[in-house]
Order: sequence, then C-alpha cells, then structure tokens
Amino acid sequence: AQTVTQSQPEMSVQEAETVTLSCTYDTSESDYYLFWYKQPPSRQMILVIRQEAYKQQNATENRFSVNFQKAAKSFSLKISDSQLGDAAMYFCAYEERKLIFGQGTELSVKP
Amino acid sequence: DAGVTQSPTHLIKTRGQQVTLRCSPKSGHDTVSWYQQALGQGPQFIFQYYEEEERQRGNFPDRFSGHQFPNYSSELNVNALLLGDSALYLCASSLTGKEAQETQYFGPGTRLLVL
Repeated sequence: AQTVTQSQPEMSVQEAETVTLSCTYDTSESDYYLFWYKQPPSRQMILVIRQEAYKQQNATENRFSVNFQKAAKSFSLKISDSQLGDAAMYFCAYEERKLIFGQGTELSVKP
Repeated sequence: DAGVTQSPTHLIKTRGQQVTLRCSPKSGHDTVSWYQQALGQGPQFIFQYYEEEERQRGNFPDRFSGHQFPNYSSELNVNALLLGDSALYLCASSLTGKEAQETQYFGPGTRLLVL
C-alpha cells in the first residue's frame, strides 16, 4: 500500500527567508502524481503545487518549488521569500485516483 | 467560475442519528471524492464517485454511503453516528481525463460534531 511520510511535525522560518519541508512516499507504481496542499486555520485545503512523476523537471509556482527525487521517493517543498500568509499546515499527498496524505507539517512564519 | 461548495458548514448531531452532507463540484468537473479529517490528522479517503457510481472506496464501514447525481453533485450519508465520526468532511472535485485523473480541488468542508 502506498504511504506518505512527513517527518517534520513543525517548522519555523523567519519572514523573507527560505524553508524546505520534507516528504517521502512509498509506491511500486511508475506513473503517479504528487501534490503539496496548504491548510490555513480556516481549514480550507488549497493546492500549492503538483508534480507528475514522469516529468523529470521539478515543478515551480512563483515562490514555491519542489525537489522531486523519484528514485529516492522524496518530494520536498521549498518556500522562498517566506511571507506571514504562508503560515499554515502543509500536507504532502500522493495520488493514484485517490489522494493519500501525510500527517502534515505546521509552518510558522516569524516577523 | 464557482469553486467547490459544500453544505452545511457546521453540523451538530447526537450518537445514533443520521447525517447527509452535500457537495457541488467545480464547474466542468465530473468526479467527486470525499475525505474525513480528524483534528490534527491528514485527510483520509472515504470514497470517490464518477458517472454516478462509486469508483473507489477507502477503509470506512458501510455506515458511510454516498451518491452522485446527474449534475455531478454528490451526497455523503453517515448512519448510526458515533462520537468518533466527529471530524471535518472534505469534498474534492476533479475531471477524469483519458490518461489520468486531474488535480483535485477542495471545498471548504463541513464540520461535524457528534455528541
């Protein structure tokens, strides 16, 4: 069965600095999708970024980028120029029709 | 372009009662998935509906059932409520493509409290 592991329950970053959130997953499939979702205190789940496993190029969305290492089954999220509004719970998710989520990393941003 | 909507936003029930939660997918989407998120946990997949049929199901008892209507909206029904059913219920919609399912977009959720 596919599993997703986020080993950092909490992370903290200074405003304007860069932070990296870690995620590893386990699967025997070769084609799949990986996602990072952000969940602020409102608990609305917001898509941050998506990566297709067959694409070697790492996905980027403005200040958000990923480091996708398929052989290592690693999928980390880098947030550059952190802003106060980035403070939230971040979930890594693996998709094979259904989404399998990690336990989340709570990110705090210090002014 | 309306996103995913869910109703109600909050709900309080007592043990043994039944509840129905509703979801309208994002415009153009045909697939609806339901997730349960307990406090402090990641969401857990309940089931997914496509073409009015349950396409995939997670590890949830038969007390959890659903339905998808011809307009792609969906309902989640939970019978014989238990205290442990208290959670945030998230609906996500997507468009099933030829090769693979597209990205899932989430609604704001329904917070269910069982007393």
